[in-house]
Amino acid sequence: DVKVTQSSRYLVKRTGEKVFLECVQDMDHENMFWYRQDPGLGLRLIYFSYDVKMKEKGDIPEGYSVSREKKERFSLILESASTNQTSMYLCASSPGTGLSGANVLTFGAGSRLTVL
Amino acid sequence: AQSVTQLDSHVSVSEGTPVLLRCNYSSSYSPSLFWYVQHPNKGLQLLLKYTSAATLVKGINGFEAEFKKSETSFHLTKPSAHMSDAAEYFCVVRGNTGGFKTIFGAGTRLFVKA
Repeated sequence: DVKVTQSSRYLVKRTGEKVFLECVQDMDHENMFWYRQDPGLGLRLIYFSYDVKMKEKGDIPEGYSVSREKKERFSLILESASTNQTSMYLCASSPGTGLSGANVLTFGAGSRLTVL
Repeated sequence: AQSVTQLDSHVSVSEGTPVLLRCNYSSSYSPSLFWYVQHPNKGLQLLLKYTSAATLVKGINGFEAEFKKSETSFHLTKPSAHMSDAAEYFCVVRGNTGGFKTIFGAGTRLFVKA
């Protein structure tokens, strides 16, 4: 019944390493999102994509990039990891063309990244 | 501009007693409102959503929420708490125009005592 799969649940990386977080959805959704979750701050949007090869910056894109080469896969890339990127990263997807206000987000289980 | 405020960072109830998680929102337009739940080490799961139909919305696991435009509130309630309700709850507002920006509240952690 898994619909949004994040390949890594826990990662430990060193400062300066390149980090890839992978997300795959099997619901044929057009829209995909990457959030980071920190205690007391809720979820903050990093990047989103509403179509293959399309990407838009969210609220906190600095230090991150994304790739969407196929509809079902949305990757988050940390070019040079830093300690302040230690966080829980959540991938989500939603259906529909455009970004209709009522569309529900379906989330993956999350990837907890620790940068030493 | 849109914003959402969850008025309590932590709520503690005894099993079998009512649950009230408070949420106020601000939106220039008629918004869509959601409650999500996150159990430990899991992703977020939709509890319920309001999209300008009935103001009292029923969700999964016995939860419901009432949209009160005059009070700009969307509080989550449940008549009788169960141990399995212990989790973090997020109130979410999403505009229906202007880019459909989604704003998450900071979360309320619900503790349920036996």
